[in-house]
Amino acid sequence: QSVLTQPPSVSGAPGQRVTLSCTGSSSNIGPGVVHWYQKLPGTAPKLLIYGDNNRPSGVPDRFSGSKSGTSASLAITGLQAEDEAHYYCQSYDSSRSGSWVFGGGTKLTVL
Amino acid sequence: QVRLVESGGGVVQPGGSLRLSCAASGFTFSKYGMQWVRQAPGKGLEWVAFIRYDGSNKYYADSVKGRFTISRDNSKNTLFLQMNSLRVEDTAVYYCAKDWGGGDDYIAWGQGTLVTVSS
Repeated sequence: QSVLTQPPSVSGAPGQRVTLSCTGSSSNIGPGVVHWYQKLPGTAPKLLIYGDNNRPSGVPDRFSGSKSGTSASLAITGLQAEDEAHYYCQSYDSSRSGSWVFGGGTKLTVL
Repeated sequence: QVRLVESGGGVVQPGGSLRLSCAASGFTFSKYGMQWVRQAPGKGLEWVAFIRYDGSNKYYADSVKGRFTISRDNSKNTLFLQMNSLRVEDTAVYYCAKDWGGGDDYIAWGQGTLVTVSS
């Protein structure tokens, strides 16, 4: 059972927009920040969004993040086949300063 | 350029021990909290342990508490994870990660090392 809650799967057609949700609590997302990762089989997680809504250099602006209260979202516009992957949200445990918490991950399928 | 390289994974019998290492370069290791994260086959990412930049605070996931020990050697820019009393369910790829330093001081991950616990 993951600390943060993500839907197991979402899907969308090429070119469409999808939104992935991440629900936490006042012990993690509420007081903290959220980062998002893309995970492909056999590779390390790739940072997509950091600090709620910032993109590292090299990440397309098709990816955007937002946070409100104890929930966060990752939006992907102009879906491409290469976006098919698992996506994870991550925040911090406010009771154990510095410790991470993860969502269970969402599998994005591009139809 | 930030680089993290894990080593020490392998095959071990249930009840056995392994020590993972994570060699860091490209940043001032002694200024950052560090994490271990794992991914079991077919499962999601699971946070394992955290150590503060100076080693003064350490936290563990309930699933490994009392069996795993995180440590660091800032003089050698190396992070460790001592894993004892290993169980089949500890089988996973283990990643070390450098925490976010604020702004564009990004989180960074190693490539991972596979630990297989099997008889």
